Amino acid sequence: EVQLVESGGGLVQPGGSLRLSCAASGLTFSRLWMAWVRQAPGKGLEWVAIINQAGDEKSYVDSVRGRFIIDRDNAQNSLSLHMTSLRVEDTAIYYCGPSSLDYWGRGTLVTVSS
Amino acid sequence: DVVMTQSPLSLPVALGQSASISCRSSQSLVYSDGISYLNWFHQRPGESPRRLISQASKRDSGVPDRFSGSGSGTDFTLRISRVEAGDVGVYYCMQGTDWPWTFGQGTKVEIK
Repeated sequence: EVQLVESGGGLVQPGGSLRLSCAASGLTFSRLWMAWVRQAPGKGLEWVAIINQAGDEKSYVDSVRGRFIIDRDNAQNSLSLHMTSLRVEDTAIYYCGPSSLDYWGRGTLVTVSS
Repeated sequence: DVVMTQSPLSLPVALGQSASISCRSSQSLVYSDGISYLNWFHQRPGESPRRLISQASKRDSGVPDRFSGSGSGTDFTLRISRVEAGDVGVYYCMQGTDWPWTFGQGTKVEIK
């Protein structure tokens, strides 16, 4: 059974930093492009970042480029998202998963507020 | 960025009836391999999204055949036949042809 468990969310002030983690099991993690997708409260879905199998090719949506870094550890089957210079508009549930989005975790809520 | 436009945004449907959701892209989603990378997702209230359809018309494992996807290029459709109570929620289309991949605004399906 595929499991994706996101963690690390919480309340942070504007300008602050947060590191999200995703533990994956039940899939061949090292062979997959992986991604972060977010959903602001009551809003639609938005891609945040993707990373290739080796971790040396990364792409970001314009709104987070230069502030967020996606990374992975294939030995630990884990994905991370290091978020800096957080803005109120980054408030959302953050989901991790394969870039094919055929599996989703429950997500972790990030709230950016003073 | 490719803009994905869904219609309608709200869709009341009677149980047992059919529903149809349109998704149009601002540019062709046909990739160099000839495939349109268009996915459909369903999100029930309080739950994570679930993929239903990939490559415009390929139904995912476990998805009832009441759900069907069609289209190519810029025009795509998700059809739900014999709507059931569990089909309520928001349906999103998403293009995976051109980065950044983008989602439609979502169509809220409810039972009338």
